[in-house]
Amino acid sequence: DADVTQTPRNRITKTGKRIMLECSQTKGHDRMYWYRQDPGLGLQLIYYSFDVKDINKGEISDGYSVSRQAQAKFSLSLESAIPNQTALYFCATSSSDPYNEQFFGPGTRLTVL
Amino acid sequence: DQQVKQNSPSLSVQEGRISILNCDYTNSMFDYFLWYKKYPAEGPTFLISISSIKDKNEDGRFTVFLNKSAKHLSLHIVPSQPGDSAVYFCAALNSGGGADGLTFGKGTHLIIQP
Repeated sequence: DADVTQTPRNRITKTGKRIMLECSQTKGHDRMYWYRQDPGLGLQLIYYSFDVKDINKGEISDGYSVSRQAQAKFSLSLESAIPNQTALYFCATSSSDPYNEQFFGPGTRLTVL
Repeated sequence: DQQVKQNSPSLSVQEGRISILNCDYTNSMFDYFLWYKKYPAEGPTFLISISSIKDKNEDGRFTVFLNKSAKHLSLHIVPSQPGDSAVYFCAALNSGGGADGLTFGKGTHLIIQP
């Protein structure tokens, strides 16, 4: 079984709709992250969480919100989706050691029409 | 302004030869660097890393070199194999900074020719 899972894997939605992307991990890590990747670009950090009570904005948080429901679960919401939020979204986890690598989920491909 | 730059969007190398992927950074506060490999329809997977206190780290066929004065790092793959065909992302971290996410380059698509 995968250590970091994301649901759904693919989603098509319409402008203005609210959508939630979910991430679960079995690695027992404290830290979780949400990134987006646009074609031809690297990954950009949306939000990150050091533990259940700690949520922090990344470089492109506008239009997004997150919820850390438990140590193992971190969800990303688009309150009112717009077409330029069409992208690949990745969840990642890491231990508290800042020098440990991040482990990524398989990604969610989101299309906003 | 991009803080991590991978100026080659793609690179084609013959099987068995050496692949060299380059990465430049502008933020002198970065002190840890990682390379990730990504296949289509999968998330990035960690490949190799290097701390700023070192100038070289080797793991099997993969070696990362860091030149701090030039703010440049490179990933060497030797010998290159067909399974190495993927997109490679360079990433950097400021371990003492407030944001704990990685700063990624745009990636280099490595194609290994048979």
